[in-house]
Amino acid sequence: AQSVTQLDSQVPVFEEAPVELRCNYSSSVSVYLFWYVQYPNQGLQLLLKYLSGSTLVESINGFEAEFNKSQTSFHLRKPSVHISDTAEYFCAVSDPNQAGTALIFGKGTTLSVSS
Amino acid sequence: DVKVTQSSRYLVKRTGEKVFLECVQDMDHENMFWYRQDPGLGLRLIYFSYDVKMKEKGDIPEGYSVSREKKERFSLILESASTNQTSMYLCASSFGDSHGYTEAFFGQGTRLTVV
Repeated sequence: AQSVTQLDSQVPVFEEAPVELRCNYSSSVSVYLFWYVQYPNQGLQLLLKYLSGSTLVESINGFEAEFNKSQTSFHLRKPSVHISDTAEYFCAVSDPNQAGTALIFGKGTTLSVSS
Repeated sequence: DVKVTQSSRYLVKRTGEKVFLECVQDMDHENMFWYRQDPGLGLRLIYFSYDVKMKEKGDIPEGYSVSREKKERFSLILESASTNQTSMYLCASSFGDSHGYTEAFFGQGTRLTVV
């Protein structure tokens, strides 16, 4: 069965610093990969996804993630964070051979941005 | 915009009560999911449904049941609520195989407290 490991439970950073949130998944076969963000007292919103094609995917608010098949990783990066990026971030994986089946989530990384 | 609506944001119930959590989606999605979110544990899948009247157990189905009588509605039932079911419950939906893959869309969550 698939599993997802988010290597850091909490990441504190200062505003305008770069950040990387790490995610590794268990399977070496094809996967779909996702990053979701959860702001306080809200549901999850899709941040970005990798389905196929370019291994570097970007979101509209400056985040990017790179799919690395050999290292089974999908780390999330932002070159300069804002206070408003404070949230919990979840990495998730699904099996492309079973489209629409449930996403498997990591345990989440809390990003805290301070001034 | 896709909308997944959960009937309550906050709910307080007594131990032993039968509890119904309702979820409605307006995008004609085949798949619907119920997750439970706890600090440090991430999201854990309780049940999912890939069609009307169809259901599959997730990772933690014990103490829960589900009902899907109509495509747009997926209910989570706590047969006899216990304090260890105090949690945030998240509903999600997505297209199934026939539409190709899309990401899951989440509701705002229901924070259930069992006293």
